[in-house]
Amino acid sequence: DTGVSQDPRHKITKRGQNVTFRCDPISEHNRLYWYRQTLGQGPEFLTYFQNEAQLEKSRLLSDRFSAERPKGSFSTLEIQRTEQGDSAMYLCASSGGFLNEQFFGPGTRLTVL
Amino acid sequence: TQLLEQSPQFLSIQEGENLTVYCNSSSVFSSLQWYRQEPGEGPVLLVTVVTGGEVKKLKRLTFQFGDARKDSSLHITAAQPGDTGLYLCAGRGYQKVTFGTGTKLQVIP
Repeated sequence: DTGVSQDPRHKITKRGQNVTFRCDPISEHNRLYWYRQTLGQGPEFLTYFQNEAQLEKSRLLSDRFSAERPKGSFSTLEIQRTEQGDSAMYLCASSGGFLNEQFFGPGTRLTVL
Repeated sequence: TQLLEQSPQFLSIQEGENLTVYCNSSSVFSSLQWYRQEPGEGPVLLVTVVTGGEVKKLKRLTFQFGDARKDSSLHITAAQPGDTGLYLCAGRGYQKVTFGTGTKLQVIP
């Protein structure tokens, strides 16, 4: 199966620590998205890459958040000095083709104690 | 800002009943996707509708895109416990996808 993969699936950290998540998109997709989702809500857009270029960042993405996609393939999302309010599911999606349908990974569940 | 409102927010029904979920916006979308998400997992794409008035069927699920491409509906016939989950619509505008607020469906055996 060559779907979107995310690592780790779960992360528990203490407030103030830094965490990094990885996303591997579907190989032929040139667009990659990061979202944050809290329980029972729809995903909230964080940022978007086309190839290696970060084209859009949400105002939700504070200075403590940074995302990279250095070679236009996998991407990382880093959160510095985590806060309890950062606890959420972080979703990655990739898209390509005419309709640009987004396909999601399984997500990384972050818990900040 | 494009907003997508889904209704109802929560739905709890008995197995075998029919239901409809609505996704409404004041904005026009070039396409609209429906996803189903189970707890602890990422959303799974069910369907994409593109043309105003388009109807697509996926087994017991029927999806419709409004004529003006501002709204959509999802109808489930004879719901089963396996249909339980969070249903999300997502509208694609110019270079941006907006997700709906979600409808949490519980089908009781």
